[in-house]
Amino acid sequence: DADVTQTPRNRITKTGKRIMLECSQTKGHDRMYWYRQDPGLGLRLIYYSFDVKDINKGEISDGYSVSRQAQAKFSLSLESAIPNQTALYFCATSDLQTDTDTQYFGPGTRLTVL
Amino acid sequence: GQNIDQPTEMTATEGAIVQINCTYQTSGFNGLFWYQQHAGEAPTFLSYNVLDGLEEKGRFSSFLSRSKGYSYLLLKELQMKDSASYLCAVMDSNYQLIWGAGTKLIIKP
Repeated sequence: DADVTQTPRNRITKTGKRIMLECSQTKGHDRMYWYRQDPGLGLRLIYYSFDVKDINKGEISDGYSVSRQAQAKFSLSLESAIPNQTALYFCATSDLQTDTDTQYFGPGTRLTVL
Repeated sequence: GQNIDQPTEMTATEGAIVQINCTYQTSGFNGLFWYQQHAGEAPTFLSYNVLDGLEEKGRFSSFLSRSKGYSYLLLKELQMKDSASYLCAVMDSNYQLIWGAGTKLIIKP
């Protein structure tokens, strides 16, 4: 089984709809992240969480919200989707206890907003 | 501002060697990462450098010069499966990863 899973893997929705993307991990990591990736751009951080009670905004948090329901689960919501939120979304995790804090990624969710 | 620069695209021949460069300007430095990403898939971790010098891992090596704000990823004995994008990322003083846009590597037979 994959260590970091994301659901759904693909989603097509309409402008104005509420969307939730979910991420689960079995790696036992404390830290979790949500990124979006657009063609020609680097990964951009949306939100991150260093433990269940810790939520922080990233570079591009406007239009998004998150929930850390448990150490293993971190959800990203788009309250009212708009077409420029069409992108590939990745969840990642890292381990506070390691020296490198290397991030490990889920398989991604391809979101299309019409 | 913070900036990571790497070439957009490179082409190399199967069996050859290729070097992908990355230059960075960030607020602080807590390590540099290289990831591989096949089209439509997740980035996967390749290497980490925090001290100057060369780190070797099989066919892949990564070099860092902190004084020059420069790193490179060296891929030897190229295989067709190495066709992918290679992402350079720097951890800044806030322990946030700043990502380059990636270098698409095309391997020709």
